Amino acid sequence: ETGVTQSPTHLIKTRGQQVTLRCSSQSGHNTVSWYQQALGQGPQFIFQYYREEENGRGNFPPRFSGLQFPNYSSELNVNALELDDSALYLCASSSWDTQYFGPGTRLTVL
Amino acid sequence: AQTVTQSQPEMSVQEAETVTLSCTYDTSESNYYLFWYKQPPSRQMILVIRQEAYKQQNATENRFSVNFQKAAKSFSLKISDSQLGDTAMYFCAFTDDFASGSARQLTFGSGTQLTVLP
Repeated sequence: ETGVTQSPTHLIKTRGQQVTLRCSSQSGHNTVSWYQQALGQGPQFIFQYYREEENGRGNFPPRFSGLQFPNYSSELNVNALELDDSALYLCASSSWDTQYFGPGTRLTVL
Repeated sequence: AQTVTQSQPEMSVQEAETVTLSCTYDTSESNYYLFWYKQPPSRQMILVIRQEAYKQQNATENRFSVNFQKAAKSFSLKISDSQLGDTAMYFCAFTDDFASGSARQLTFGSGTQLTVLP
């Protein structure tokens, strides 16, 4: 059974640019959630996708957007990058109440 | 809104000893799920243990067990026979019960950095 995978591992962007992060869910899981984890803090919920529809959103601005595809993989897009967007971005997949995380993408905004 | 509080930013324990990490939470829900995740320096968030609030029996997974006190809204993690590989940041997390069409987001505490000393 393949676990949750994320790409890329690391990414460096400059302020104002746009970025796309990718996530492949665990086999059999139809729900994907995205979290932002700033250094030294717990993860914060960005949004969740269930069967290709956004199913809920945390306190993040509209420049954070996403997609889920028919195979349940997902993308997180961030437009107009700001310095404070520098963080570890975690993707988690689930089929019921337990979320399983990928290894994360470290985004640095200069 | 649900909140999760971990009041111990750092803890250390000698190898083979037992350590307990504390977590309290606040919710008005009657049914929910609680989790402990560990995050080693590799950054991968790994599920340690899961507890369903409607089950009175405390969850156990090998050397890991919880003390779930629903009335006190307390959910502590006990690690027995600590090993060097247990060194990691430990996060307590909460999610409410499944409701059709609603997001079951995880709310995390701020974490406890556990160091196992040789």
